[in-house]
Amino acid sequence: DAGVIQSPRHEVTEMGQEVTLRCKPISGHNSLFWYRQTMMRGLELLIYFNNNVPIDDSGMPEDRFSAKMPNASFSTLKIQPSEPRDSAVYFCASSSRIIQETQYFGPGTRLLVL
Amino acid sequence: SQQGEEDPQALSIQEGENATMNCSYKTSINNLQWYRQNSGRGLVHLILIRSNEREKHSGRLRVTLDTSKKSSSLLITASRAADTASYFCATDYSGTYKYIFGTGTRLKVLA
Repeated sequence: DAGVIQSPRHEVTEMGQEVTLRCKPISGHNSLFWYRQTMMRGLELLIYFNNNVPIDDSGMPEDRFSAKMPNASFSTLKIQPSEPRDSAVYFCASSSRIIQETQYFGPGTRLLVL
Repeated sequence: SQQGEEDPQALSIQEGENATMNCSYKTSINNLQWYRQNSGRGLVHLILIRSNEREKHSGRLRVTLDTSKKSSSLLITASRAADTASYFCATDYSGTYKYIFGTGTRLKVLA
């Protein structure tokens, strides 16, 4: 059974460019979470969806960040325009309706904004 | 911030020894989880303990929860080099499955 899939695994871009991160949750999971991990701030929850609906986006740092979940098997996190301080590892995680407490993490996207 | 704090920040032990790491949090919780993160990888769920439980075991892992002290500990017995990783606690304050992750303990097990 495939786990959470994220793409790309690595992204290097220049300041001002648009960045789109993608996530495919585990099939059958109904909750999806986007996290950002940095040395300074640790692991921060950005937004989470339940049944494709954004439930809490209070962790989204600013309007440059947006997230969508058009269907149960796909989500995107977009940064436009990107800034050097957005450099981090971005994780997507999903959880099932049956065991909602346990989150399954993807391998992450390592983003570097120059 | 509601973020939990792990203690110690870093721990280095010999293979075969036990490793203990602690997590402190600030407000009442519904449950607490421990996750492991190997270098360059995503987090992996280890164990969950609910607020009405005091101790749980899973293989070589033992987790305790003291709600009066707002703290939890993770004990790894008979450690192996493969246990080298960062360990995070995650707390659910609101019952909405929105977890707040702690700062992590970096464990290094020397062969």
